[in-house]
Amino acid sequence: QEQLVQSGAEVKRPGASVKVSCKASGYTFTSYYIHWMRQAPGQGLEWMGKINPSVGSINYSEKFQGRVTMSRDTSTSTVHMELSSLRSEDTAVYFCARVPQRAAVVFDIWGQGTLVTVSS
Amino acid sequence: AIQLTQSPSSLSASVGDRVTITCRASQGISSALAWYQQKPGKAPKLLIYDASSLESGVPSRFSGSGSGTDFTLTISSLQPEDFASYYCQQFNFYPLTFGGGTKIEIK
Repeated sequence: QEQLVQSGAEVKRPGASVKVSCKASGYTFTSYYIHWMRQAPGQGLEWMGKINPSVGSINYSEKFQGRVTMSRDTSTSTVHMELSSLRSEDTAVYFCARVPQRAAVVFDIWGQGTLVTVSS
Repeated sequence: AIQLTQSPSSLSASVGDRVTITCRASQGISSALAWYQQKPGKAPKLLIYDASSLESGVPSRFSGSGSGTDFTLTISSLQPEDFASYYCQQFNFYPLTFGGGTKIEIK
């Protein structure tokens, strides 16, 4: 069964960093791009960036450039997303998602989401 | 960035109703649009890609149409499991962007 399983919920203080992991299973990890999105409470979805697990190339949304770091570990089929200098507006559910092997950059498999709460 | 405007933001409907949601892009995006369904506390589920292609396993009561700037998602006969939020997403330009969502509630 193809799936992405994310790490558990986090509570962080403003100014801290958070690292969320996303472990792939049931498919060839290096064959599919992984993207990260987030969803603030009651809000829509916001794209953060993408990583190519095969070669490690990365593209970030300009909004998060300088604050976000994405990485991958091919030995464990896991991608990571670290967000630094957290503020209350970063409180959201963070999702990783896979792009299928077709031209359309859409997301066919999603992680279950990781709630990150930023609060003093 | 491309802005996607969905309408309505919410609607009330009954089982068996035909429902149409629209998504308007701030500039032309060809047919590079997808639709997702999201239920509370869950990740989105891909329904439609390339504006009108049905994702494998998605019921045929879901259909999509449009190109350029105007797109629609239609549910031909609403089922109890369809009460959820729906989002459009464009993939013609980076950054990828999503619409604000449409919540379908039970009338």
